[in-house]
Amino acid sequence: AQSVTQLDSQVPVFEEAPVELRCNYSSSVSVYLFWYVQYPNQGLQLLLKYLSGSTLVESINGFEAEFNKSQTSFHLRKPSVHISDTAEYFCAVMPVGATNKLIFGTGTLLAVQP
Amino acid sequence: EPEVTQTPSHQVTQMGQEVILRCVPISNHLYFYWYRQILGQKVEFLVSFYNNEISEKSEIFDDQFSVERPDGSNFTLKIRSTKLEDSAMYFCASSVFLGYEQYFGPGTRLTVT
Repeated sequence: AQSVTQLDSQVPVFEEAPVELRCNYSSSVSVYLFWYVQYPNQGLQLLLKYLSGSTLVESINGFEAEFNKSQTSFHLRKPSVHISDTAEYFCAVMPVGATNKLIFGTGTLLAVQP
Repeated sequence: EPEVTQTPSHQVTQMGQEVILRCVPISNHLYFYWYRQILGQKVEFLVSFYNNEISEKSEIFDDQFSVERPDGSNFTLKIRSTKLEDSAMYFCASSVFLGYEQYFGPGTRLTVT
């Protein structure tokens, strides 16, 4: 079975400061990795994904995440956050092969303060 | 940009009533899903659907739940006899193929009173 751990339920940060949202997973098989973002009163939006290839993946709005197989982590980073980045961020994994099921973490609320 | 749509955005129903939640997946996608998020909890997988049949379902998806693709565009989730604990946000998603990223709709908030 797979599981995803997001240890930080809430991360407060000042505008223009760097941020890291942590994600660790457990799986006996290879997985694809995803970060989804949920803005207030909206649905889930795909932020970035790791399927294969380069372990560093980037989004169009300045976020990046690095897949670390040895540490089973997929932490999300941004060097300088904006007020508009305030949202809930969910890490998710999908076992490679026979399933399409996404397994989500509990989410991290990124609260950007002026 | 194509997107997944869901109706209604909010549904209030009484315990024991049947509800149908509707979704229109992205048009060229072949795989469809339902997830739910109980307030304050993680997003949970309910069911996946491909080629007009269920391809996978979770233990949550019991006999009270059913899914259907009644026509070429809609994908529905039916709960036959709602319970208080069915209150949640229900998300529909779709993907092009197995293993590809899933695109989510805005959700339907179901409140069972």
